[in-house]
Amino acid sequence: GQQLNQSPQSMFIQEGEDVSMNCTSSSIFNTWLWYKQDPGEGPVLLIALYKAGELTSNGRLTAQFGITRKDSFLNISASIPSDVGIYFCAGQLGGSNYKLTFGKGTLLTVNP
Amino acid sequence: DAGITQSPRHKVTETGTPVTLRCHQTENHRYMYWYRQDPGHGLRLIHYSYGVKDTDKGEVSDGYSVSRSKTEDFLLTLESATSSQTSVYFCAISDPTYQGTGELFFGEGSRLTVL
Repeated sequence: GQQLNQSPQSMFIQEGEDVSMNCTSSSIFNTWLWYKQDPGEGPVLLIALYKAGELTSNGRLTAQFGITRKDSFLNISASIPSDVGIYFCAGQLGGSNYKLTFGKGTLLTVNP
Repeated sequence: DAGITQSPRHKVTETGTPVTLRCHQTENHRYMYWYRQDPGHGLRLIHYSYGVKDTDKGEVSDGYSVSRSKTEDFLLTLESATSSQTSVYFCAISDPTYQGTGELFFGEGSRLTVL
């Protein structure tokens, strides 16, 4: 099946720093999604990307759908303590296939 | 927040006992999913449903069965629980007509411990 390589696995940063994480795949996806998971809760959708090359922002978060459709990145600007959590990328083949393939996550720790 | 309720939220059971987890949605979404989350593996799809009585296997379906008799309920059953099924289980829902392409919305999870 499809596999997503998400990096880095973990990050430890100072409050106010910018953060970047990415996902790559050997498969082409039609949709890329980015989720955040807080401790003890389910993942929450942050950004959805539908077109190759698309750049989308949600507050301090910016994500891009790679032009090859095999990768995506997520940037967080001016990090704050509540950004702590696990960030997951997910790819969707599209068409009649609505299953998501998830990366293994990036654990972000923000030091106040 | 999407109207998704998982029950029980926590369960401890013994090896060999049957376990059923329930997912209930109030969004009338067509698709429902069961994922498990384990350290080092991320989220892995167990089974999913694309309509009442329509289900299919995911990547880690061995040892699990599902049923969907109503749009709003999706049940995950472990017929004979094993320690390897200790995990956090998440239900998710989606609808191709919502936001256009079936973004998944997750429940809060059910933590299962098999002793």
